[in-house]
Amino acid sequence: SQKIEQNSEALNIQEGKTATLTCNYTNYSPAYLQWYRQDPGRGPVFLLLIRENEKEKRKERLKVTFDTTLKQSLFHITASQPADSATYLCAVYNFNKFYFGSGTKLNVKP
Amino acid sequence: NAGVTQTPKFQVLKTGQSMTLQCAQDMNHEYMSWYRQDPGMGLRLIHYSVGAGITDQGEVPNGYNVSRSTTEDFPLRLLSAAPSQTSVYFCASRKDRGSASNQPQHFGDGTRLSIL
Repeated sequence: SQKIEQNSEALNIQEGKTATLTCNYTNYSPAYLQWYRQDPGRGPVFLLLIRENEKEKRKERLKVTFDTTLKQSLFHITASQPADSATYLCAVYNFNKFYFGSGTKLNVKP
Repeated sequence: NAGVTQTPKFQVLKTGQSMTLQCAQDMNHEYMSWYRQDPGMGLRLIHYSVGAGITDQGEVPNGYNVSRSTTEDFPLRLLSAAPSQTSVYFCASRKDRGSASNQPQHFGDGTRLSIL
């Protein structure tokens, strides 16, 4: 199975700055990697997906990179806002199963 | 569309009791799954189904049963509740089963279960 590692410490940044979150995986390279946002008391909500043959994906203020050599994905939120405060989860998909990291909590201060 | 609906939202059980967590989706999704989320552990896959009549085990299946008699419903049964099963349970669905698919999962808002 896969082990997915995300920084368990909360990331505190100032409004307007870029937040960068890290996701590392062990073992085999996944077919693709997804990022989700989770607010307290709610289920995760899908944000972005990146395939193993893609280096970078963008959606509005969000950017995801995927480095299969380092076995790592980086998730960036540019021009961050207090409304971006949430826990962000990464997930990989292999052989019909999804494996999730424990998430990184992002706090954006006004 | 309601998306993925989970019931109940909260439940307290005594050790040894059994219960069924309900999950229904109205998006005609083939793939459905159950996760538990514990502090510091992230989401862990319990069971999943790639279509009606087909189920398989995830990472942590012990103590849980599932069935998939219809496309819409995927109930999770706790056979004999134990305190270690205290957790938040999430159900999710995805449009299709293919490994090449890039479809995201859609999650319900969870069932918060406490076992005393």
